[in-house]
Amino acid sequence: AQSVTQPDIHITVSEGASLELRCNYSYGATPYLFWYVQSPGQGLQLLLKYFSGDTLVQGIKGFEAEFKRSQSSFNLRKPSVHWSDAAEYFCAVGGKRGGATNKLIFGTGTLLAVQP
Amino acid sequence: DVKVTQSSRYLVKRTGEKVFLECVQDMDHENMFWYRQDPGLGLRLIYFSYDVKMKEKGDIPEGYSVSREKKERFSLILESASTNQTSMYLCASSPPGWVGAEAFFGQGTRLTVV
Repeated sequence: AQSVTQPDIHITVSEGASLELRCNYSYGATPYLFWYVQSPGQGLQLLLKYFSGDTLVQGIKGFEAEFKRSQSSFNLRKPSVHWSDAAEYFCAVGGKRGGATNKLIFGTGTLLAVQP
Repeated sequence: DVKVTQSSRYLVKRTGEKVFLECVQDMDHENMFWYRQDPGLGLRLIYFSYDVKMKEKGDIPEGYSVSREKKERFSLILESASTNQTSMYLCASSPPGWVGAEAFFGQGTRLTVV
């Protein structure tokens, strides 16, 4: 079965520190992987996505993620966190085209707090 | 920019009421989705639609139904609201085609059933 695991429910980092959010997936074929961010009271915004090719992908707001097939991981990183990065982060994998529709399967999210 | 608009940001309804959550997208996307978001559970797919009048159940369809009479509009219906349906509801749309097309989300409707 397809699934996404985000093992860290809550993370706190200091402003200016580096960040890595973990994501592991289970998927029977080539995965299509996404990271979304949700600011308080808002919908989800796409940070970056991986479909094929270079395993290190760059996104908006200075984020990047690396796809590691051998580890079934797609971890999100940022070298220097800003206070405005405080939000909830969701990893997702593209589902099969069952019923001619591509579905996204989401992890449970990681809530990021940033200390001054 | 793609815009997905949910008709209400906040709703308070009584147990047993019939509730309609409306979602409209302006990018002519074939696919539309309703997710429910609860703390610690992430986003769970309720229903999705890949064309007008077409729908398929997601992971948690019980207690919900949907309607898609026009391409741009996808409605989620709670036939008889219950307190365990208190949640944040997110609508999304995506273009057709290959698996993994980006989904665009509305801002969400926070529903409270009392």
